[in-house]
Amino acid sequence: QSVLTQPPSVSGAPGQRVTISCTGSSSNIGAGNDVHWYQQLPGTAPKLLIYDNNNRPSGVPDRFSGSQSGTSASLAITGLQAEDEADYYCQSYDSSLSVVVFGGGTKLTVL
Amino acid sequence: VQLVESGGGLVQPGGSLRLSCAASGFTFSSYSMNWVRQAPGKGLEWVSYISSSSNTIFYTDSVKGRFTISRDNAKSSLYLEMNSLRDEDTAVYYCARDRNWDFDFWGQGTLVTVSS
Repeated sequence: QSVLTQPPSVSGAPGQRVTISCTGSSSNIGAGNDVHWYQQLPGTAPKLLIYDNNNRPSGVPDRFSGSQSGTSASLAITGLQAEDEADYYCQSYDSSLSVVVFGGGTKLTVL
Repeated sequence: VQLVESGGGLVQPGGSLRLSCAASGFTFSSYSMNWVRQAPGKGLEWVSYISSSSNTIFYTDSVKGRFTISRDNAKSSLYLEMNSLRDEDTAVYYCARDRNWDFDFWGQGTLVTVSS
């Protein structure tokens, strides 16, 4: 059971918008700890997609955006493309456990 | 930036293994580093953290007392010494550069299989 909760799967048609939620608690996201998102394409290492809640590293398309409110965060992907089909993970820091925590991951299927 | 892990393999329960991560393309000594693992078909799990000067080290509870993280800044290398290995330690182990408690660059991973 992951400390951060994500839906196991989401799907959308090309061109659509999808969101992936990440629910935490008062000891991680709710404590003001930043949320980060990773994209893991099949058979590859994870890649940083969003850092510090809503910032994109160089090279990440602006179709990807992040937000955070209270004890939850969300990743939004607009203009869905076939190449976006991947697993997505949220990550934060838990102040009570003093550890880095990940969500269980969400598999995005592009229909 | 390039991170290349090595040292994975098949080991029996109770055995030991030492993973290495060779870094290049950045000033290794200026960055904290982490190990993150992923069991087959499962999600990501943070394993350990080491600060740039090795002054600060953290582990996830399940590996405390069994795993030891270390680094050699002169060799731009990160290590993970794993002892008393268990079936549940089977995973791909990634080294990852720490930006600010997030991981901006990852290696390709090395597979550790614990099985008799």
